[in-house]
Amino acid sequence: EVRLVESGGGLVQPGGSLRLSCGASGFTFSTYSMNWVRQSPGKGLEWISYVSLTSDAIFYADSVRGRFTVSRDNPRNSMYLHMSALRPEDTAVYYCVRDRNTLIRGRSTDFDLWGQGTLVIVSS
Amino acid sequence: YVLTQAPSVSVAPGQTATITCGGDKIGSYNVHWYQQKTGQAPLQVVFDDRHRPSGIPDRFSGLNSGNTATLTISRAEVEDEADYYCQIWYSNHSHAGVVFGGGTTLTVL
Repeated sequence: EVRLVESGGGLVQPGGSLRLSCGASGFTFSTYSMNWVRQSPGKGLEWISYVSLTSDAIFYADSVRGRFTVSRDNPRNSMYLHMSALRPEDTAVYYCVRDRNTLIRGRSTDFDLWGQGTLVIVSS
Repeated sequence: YVLTQAPSVSVAPGQTATITCGGDKIGSYNVHWYQQKTGQAPLQVVFDDRHRPSGIPDRFSGLNSGNTATLTISRAEVEDEADYYCQIWYSNHSHAGVVFGGGTTLTVL
């Protein structure tokens, strides 16, 4: 079965750090660019970060640049999001998301596979 | 870059629902659409303006021209009730990233 599974969410205090993981299965992970997308409670979708096949292209949303770091480990079929200096407004469900288009390199296109999400709550 | 969607749209069962996504010269971008039902992860329903992923009914169609992209749901069913989001990849000399519209809640009643 083709799937993405996020883990690592939880309750963290403002200013704290957290690392999210995304495990991929059922497809050749190393041939797909990947993204993180989040959704605050009751709000819309917000793209957070993109990482290319070999991590040579990485992009961040302005809201997290300098605080969040995306990485991937192709042999382990995994992607990570290290989050630091967390703020209450970072509270959200974080989705691991696969880029559909394997032909376009160096940027995201659109998303054909989503994980179920992991909830991060930033609160004292 | 801002993508503008109406917060809500209502349609009677069996009728046609039209969900729009406005943006400056959006017709020059590839627009993609996602459906999100309550408590679920989003699901892609249209990519590259008008193409449907495998398994998406042909009741879903898309168009994109000028300053407006449109998702049309023909013969709407109760199961189509969901939030719908448009999305593009945007880049200029100083910024690059994925942009989502604010979402439209479709009610079928």
